Amino acid sequence: GAVVSQHPSWVICKSGTSVKIECRSLDFQATTMFWYRQFPKQSLMLMATSNEGSKATYEQGVEKDKFLINHASLTLSTLTVTSAHPEDSSFYICSARGGQGEQYFGPGTRLTVT
Amino acid sequence: AQSVTQPDIHITVSEGASLELRCNYSYGATPYLFWYVQSPGQGLQLLLKYFSGDTLVQGIKGFEAEFKRSQSSFNLRKPSVHWSDAAEYFCAVGPSAGGTSYGKLTFGQGTILTVHP
Repeated sequence: GAVVSQHPSWVICKSGTSVKIECRSLDFQATTMFWYRQFPKQSLMLMATSNEGSKATYEQGVEKDKFLINHASLTLSTLTVTSAHPEDSSFYICSARGGQGEQYFGPGTRLTVT
Repeated sequence: AQSVTQPDIHITVSEGASLELRCNYSYGATPYLFWYVQSPGQGLQLLLKYFSGDTLVQGIKGFEAEFKRSQSSFNLRKPSVHWSDAAEYFCAVGPSAGGTSYGKLTFGQGTILTVHP
């Protein structure tokens, strides 16, 4: 089946620093990937749609200058949280779109900003 | 606008009992429908999907779901629950092929399943 990996799985950073999270589709090419944020005991909140070779499309209310997304290849999308603050602490999940519109999810990245 | 409602926030069943998780959707056209499962601290795993054809779809781990157009529902079922099924379950709806929103899913709020021994 389609496998999506994320790295790192857990990261702690200091306030004001930047953190990069990688999302890879391991056994298929993904022209479209998605980035979600999930708060405890809540559903997923779509942050942005990442298309290979073009600019990401951000959902309303998501700061594109704070959450930088790059999708440079058909198997890799990255999310960089710039100048992180404690309120950015969350569980970030990526997914890759399959051939029939389904999404395959990565295992998630737990970000803690101190 | 599309929406997905999972009426039950939390369901508790005994191991070996049957299970039905409810999902209702609102969508302008015939949608693609999905059920995902999430274990604590993990990503989401695709259980099953409906695109067209037979309205009863089989998924992994012994789960099935039935698409009922007249009721705008896509309920998930399992005849005998195992302790390892304890997790959170998400129903999702998305557009059929094509268009700028292709692959963009709308998720329900999730149903937490607790399994008693």
